[in-house]
Amino acid sequence: DAGVIQSPRHEVTEMGQEVTLRCKPISGHNSLFWYRQTMMRGLELLIYFNNNVPIDDSGMPEDRFSAKMPNASFSTLKIQPSEPRDSAVYFCASSLAGTYTQYFGPGTRLTVL
Amino acid sequence: GESVGLHLPTLSVQEGDNSIINCAYSNSASDYFIWYKQESGKGPQFIIDIRSNMDKRQGQRVTVLLNKTVKHLSLQIAATQPGDSAVYFCAGSGSPGSNYKLTFGKGTLLTVNP
Repeated sequence: DAGVIQSPRHEVTEMGQEVTLRCKPISGHNSLFWYRQTMMRGLELLIYFNNNVPIDDSGMPEDRFSAKMPNASFSTLKIQPSEPRDSAVYFCASSLAGTYTQYFGPGTRLTVL
Repeated sequence: GESVGLHLPTLSVQEGDNSIINCAYSNSASDYFIWYKQESGKGPQFIIDIRSNMDKRQGQRVTVLLNKTVKHLSLQIAATQPGDSAVYFCAGSGSPGSNYKLTFGKGTLLTVNP
C-alpha cells in the first residue's frame, strides 16, 4: 500500500500568489481530512470529506482557503491569495468510513514570503 | 466542545527506561482515543488506540491506559529506544453519533538519551 500521497512536499511562494496542495488518499478509504500544523496552534482540522462530499469545513480559516474532492482518489486545497501567516505544514489524512483511525500523508511544508 | 491537551510538553529519558506520556481530555462523551507518533519531517503515524469501554490496551512495547473518572489518558513505552524519539499526540473523538473527527492535543516531545 502506497499510503497517503501529497504533493508538493515543499512549496515556497510569494505573498499574493495562488497555492494548490494535492492529496491522494489510500485506495478504498472514504473519508479525507485536511489539517494545518504550526508550532503555535498545533494540528488543526481544516475540512473533512466523506464520500467526496464536504461534511465539515468549520476549520477553514477564511474565504482565501478552498478545498475540493472531485473523485475518490484526489483532493486539492487551494489558498488564494496566500499570506505569510499561511506558512505551515499541511497534512492530508484518510480513513475508512465509519472508523476513527486516520492515516496521514507526509505533509506539504508551505512557506509564504 | 471537546478538547484534548497534554500535561508535559517535553520528556527526556535514558535509553532502556520506561516512558510515560500523559494526556487530559474534556469531553466525557468521547468514546475513542488514539495515540500518534510524529518523527521530524514526517506525518503522524498511528501507534495504538482504545475505546472508552476499556481501561487498558497493550501493543508491542506500548500500553495505553484510560481513566474515565478523571478523563486522563496515558501512553507507556517500555524499554525506550533512540528510535522512539519523536512528538507524541493524543487525540479523542467527539460524542458518539456525531462524526468521525478527531481532536488532537498539542503534543509531547520525547527525547531518548543513549
